[in-house]
Amino acid sequence: DAGVTQSPTHLIKTRGQQVTLRCSPKSGHDTVSWYQQALGQGPQFIFQYYEEEERQRGNFPDRFSGHQFPNYSSELNVNALLLGDSALYLCASSWSRGQGYNEQFFGPGTRLTVL
Amino acid sequence: LAKTTQPISMDSYEGQEVNITCSHNNIATNDYITWYQQFPSQGPRFIIQGYKTKVTNEVASLFIPADRKSSTLSLPRVSLSDTAVYYCLVGDFTGGFKTIFGAGTRLFVKA
Repeated sequence: DAGVTQSPTHLIKTRGQQVTLRCSPKSGHDTVSWYQQALGQGPQFIFQYYEEEERQRGNFPDRFSGHQFPNYSSELNVNALLLGDSALYLCASSWSRGQGYNEQFFGPGTRLTVL
Repeated sequence: LAKTTQPISMDSYEGQEVNITCSHNNIATNDYITWYQQFPSQGPRFIIQGYKTKVTNEVASLFIPADRKSSTLSLPRVSLSDTAVYYCLVGDFTGGFKTIFGAGTRLFVKA
């Protein structure tokens, strides 16, 4: 089992551009969550996808959008990039029908730098 | 979601037991307490989760008093490789509830 995989590992963009990040969940998982982690801070919840729909959303502008595919993989899109969007973007997957807390498994992240 | 408060940083030496306490005064009846560990440039890794009393696994123990307003993560005999940031999360995580991370506790283990 490869666990949660993310691509690319690193990315450099300029202000105003658009970016797409990709995530493949752990085998058997059907729920994908995205987080933004700025340097020295804890991960901030962006949104969560389940059954190809956005189920929960954090305090992020509409420039941040996502998609979940029938195979449960997911994409995070960020439009009109700002310098402040530079961060480590983490994807986490979980199984929606587990008992009690649904443990989230995180990927290694995509390091986005906006110049 | 209940707000959590944990120390910003802690130092320890190899072989010592480390206890990190998290305060969550507004914890709700359905809330679980979960701890994650994160190394630099990696995603957080689930350590342990509990609801009440004591939970132990191969990595750590979690102590939760009866009022559940705080919890303590205990790491036995730490090594240099335990140097990381530790996050305490509290919430009803069933059904895909969004997960809120605080700033975490930076543990530095010295030789």
